[in-house]
Amino acid sequence: EVQLLESGGGLAPPGGSLRLSCAASGFTFNYYGMTWVRQVPGKGLEWISAISGSGANIFYADSVKGRFTISRDNSKNTLYLQLNRLTAEDTAIYYCAKNECPRHNPTCYKFDSWGPGTLVTVSS
Amino acid sequence: IVMTQSPATLSVSPGEGATLSCRASQSVSSNLAWYQHKPGQAPRLLIYGASIRATGITDRFTGSGSGTDFTLTISSLQSEDVAVYYCQQYNDWPPFTFGPGTKVDIK
Repeated sequence: EVQLLESGGGLAPPGGSLRLSCAASGFTFNYYGMTWVRQVPGKGLEWISAISGSGANIFYADSVKGRFTISRDNSKNTLYLQLNRLTAEDTAIYYCAKNECPRHNPTCYKFDSWGPGTLVTVSS
Repeated sequence: IVMTQSPATLSVSPGEGATLSCRASQSVSSNLAWYQHKPGQAPRLLIYGASIRATGITDRFTGSGSGTDFTLTISSLQSEDVAVYYCQQYNDWPPFTFGPGTKVDIK
């Protein structure tokens, strides 16, 4: 059974930093691209970053480019998201999600497993 | 690519059907997925490839369409179907945009 579990959320001041983790199990982690999606309270889902199975290909939404860094450690089956220069607009639930198929192809970037999410609150 | 969804909210009587629409600002071929998101839970993949049900999804959910116009149909709405439904395109390299969602509730 595929399981994803995010951690690392919490309260951070404007301009501060947090590091989110997503522990994965139940599948061959390094075969699959992974994604971070967030949901601002009361709003919809927003795709923010993705990384290929090898880690060689990385993508960001314009809203986080230059502030957030996605990475993965395939030896630990763990996905990360480093959040820097946080603003109030980054307050959201952050979900990690697994690609539906194990290829480096945009058509695999639909997400068949999700974690329960971790809440990031940016406030002074 | 900008995704739009209509209506924003849909109230349906139990046992009735619901039709949700999703439109892309340019063609995404059949590279369109639908998700169900209930409060406090992780989103769940319902449909991908515009019309292929994900593993374990009941046949009460049906996806159709291609190009720019897509539909998710829920037949015989049940209380457990109350949720927000999102479409997402994955036709080309990022961003893999979501639509704004359609909230479905029981009338």
